[in-house]
Amino acid sequence: GENVEQHPSTLSVQEGDSAVIKCTYSDSASNYFPWYKQELGKGPQLIIDIRSNVGEKKDQRIAVTLNKTAKHFSLHITETQPEDSAVYFCAASIGSSNTDKLIFGTGTRLQVFP
Amino acid sequence: KAGVTQTPRYLIKTRGQQVTLSCSPISGHRSVSWYQQTPGQGLQFLFEYFSETQRNKGNFPGRFSGRQFSNSRSEMNVSTLELGDSALYLCASSASNEQFFGPGTRLTVL
Repeated sequence: GENVEQHPSTLSVQEGDSAVIKCTYSDSASNYFPWYKQELGKGPQLIIDIRSNVGEKKDQRIAVTLNKTAKHFSLHITETQPEDSAVYFCAASIGSSNTDKLIFGTGTRLQVFP
Repeated sequence: KAGVTQTPRYLIKTRGQQVTLSCSPISGHRSVSWYQQTPGQGLQFLFEYFSETQRNKGNFPGRFSGRQFSNSRSEMNVSTLELGDSALYLCASSASNEQFFGPGTRLTVL
């Protein structure tokens, strides 16, 4: 079955610096890759996603890149702010019309210091 | 548009009891998935329902079950609770693969 690995498990950056989180997946049939942000006491919040027909997607300070050949995708956060501090999860899905099942990475705790 | 709602938010049970958790999806979403989140195992897929039918299931014992109603609301049930069932149970509703999560139900088994 699908397996998703995520690195690093913790990441500390200074406010204004960039943060990069990387994930690899095993199932070449996966074609939908969302990223979630989870704050304490809340459910995961979808922040950006990418499908396998796209190599890069950007939304303001957040971008995601996908390398389908190498089976890895990354989250890039620029100009980090203290409110970006949270746990970030990557996930992968076959993304078909028959299932929405997500396989999650193990999470990255991001701390942004003022 | 209202988000995904889950009830109750917190629950304390003892070993051997059973529990039912409820999830109301975003209006118009027909797919509901359930996940278990623990510090040790992370986010793990339990099952997925679409139009009242289970269309995918994770690797959990039969003590974990669910159902979906005609209005897309879903319930999950855990019978014969074990200490290891203590977790945050998350429900997600989706349309076109994008899944939106509720706040979760924090279950503590004593």
